[in-house]
Amino acid sequence: ETGVTQSPTHLIKTRGQQVTLRCSSQSGHNTVSWYQQALGQGPQFIFQYYREEENGRGNFPPRFSGLQFPNYSSELNVNALELDDSALYLCASSLGPVLYEQYFGPGTRLTVT
Amino acid sequence: GQQLNQSPQSMFIQEGEDVSMNCTSSSIFNTWLWYKQEPGEGPVLLIALYKAGELTSNGRLTAQFGITRKDSFLNISASIPSDVGIYFCAGLDEGNKLVFGAGTILRVKS
Repeated sequence: ETGVTQSPTHLIKTRGQQVTLRCSSQSGHNTVSWYQQALGQGPQFIFQYYREEENGRGNFPPRFSGLQFPNYSSELNVNALELDDSALYLCASSLGPVLYEQYFGPGTRLTVT
Repeated sequence: GQQLNQSPQSMFIQEGEDVSMNCTSSSIFNTWLWYKQEPGEGPVLLIALYKAGELTSNGRLTAQFGITRKDSFLNISASIPSDVGIYFCAGLDEGNKLVFGAGTILRVKS
């Protein structure tokens, strides 16, 4: 059974640019949730995708958007990057939209300069 | 928004000692979860609590869901070096969103 994978591992972008992060869910999981984890903080819920539809969103602006594909992998897109977007971005997959049985990937470290 | 207050912020203990950390909230949660995160990895679920008053163990770890549904604690008995990491509590709110605390950093002296 393959776990949750994320790519890239880390990247550096400039303020104002756009970025796409990718997540492959654990085999058999149809739900992906994305989190932002700033240094020294706990993860903050961005949004969840269930069967290719957004199924809940945290307190993040519309420049944070996502997609889920038929194979349940997912992308997180962030437009007009700001310095405060520098963080570890985690995705987690689960068998359904009930979040407690979710498995996290290792994250993508984004640095915005 | 909802916040979870986790304490202590960090702990530096001797190997073999017991550890206790807790989490409080001004809001009610229907599920409490405890995660551990190690460097370069995502959080790993340690214990899930589904019912007020519930006490659950997972090896040397024991966690309780407070009776008011606004708090939870995690105990680790007889700590070992591999217990090092950041421990997060998280509550599942009525909108089915996970709200995380800021974490407790645990360091163990061997």
